[in-house]
Amino acid sequence: DVKVTQSSRYLVKRTGEKVFLECVQDMDHENMFWYRQDPGLGLRLIYFSYDVKMKEKGDIPEGYSVSREKKERFSLILESASTNQTSMYLCASSLRHVVNFGPGTRLTVT
Amino acid sequence: DQQVKQNSPSLSVQEGRISILNCDYTNSMFDYFLWYKKYPAEGPTFLISISSIKDKNEDGRFTVFLNKSAKHLSLHIVPSQPGDSAVYFCAASGVGRGTGNQFYFGTGTSLTVIP
Repeated sequence: DVKVTQSSRYLVKRTGEKVFLECVQDMDHENMFWYRQDPGLGLRLIYFSYDVKMKEKGDIPEGYSVSREKKERFSLILESASTNQTSMYLCASSLRHVVNFGPGTRLTVT
Repeated sequence: DQQVKQNSPSLSVQEGRISILNCDYTNSMFDYFLWYKKYPAEGPTFLISISSIKDKNEDGRFTVFLNKSAKHLSLHIVPSQPGDSAVYFCAASGVGRGTGNQFYFGTGTSLTVIP
């Protein structure tokens, strides 16, 4: 079974802080994704990566950046956290047609 | 612009009856469709999928139907159980930039199965 792990389940940060969300997958998948889930808005793609050091903007990249230095690791960075970035963040990986999600990080920015 | 739509935010069904969740999409180039189930404070888990070359796929109590001409798919759960209460996301997959597939998700339908 594919395992996608995220560094924290719950996180509370202050406005203006730099926030790092880490994600690791153990199945040698090429593709990795960061989504955020908000009520009524579903899952929205922030960034994705289809190879090491490659990254592509998703639908809502503003205020975020990513890093993929190793195949198994994909990090999401909030350069200066704001209250509108309070959300559930979901990392995922895929090989072809199925995307596998991590448990999510509930981030609260106060 | 939302390429995958779930127009019903919520659905309530009696235990033992059929649950039908619906999903519409706009891009005829999508080649794979998936359903995910999500409990609160957990990541979505894969439930069932269907290739665009098929019109039906069944796995136990779960069946997905695809109507390509209408750009519509549905998930049937029979019989519904209280443990099925969750948010269900429909997703479509197509070739994205680079070599990877992109996945487009609907906004979700919250299913409540009443005992």
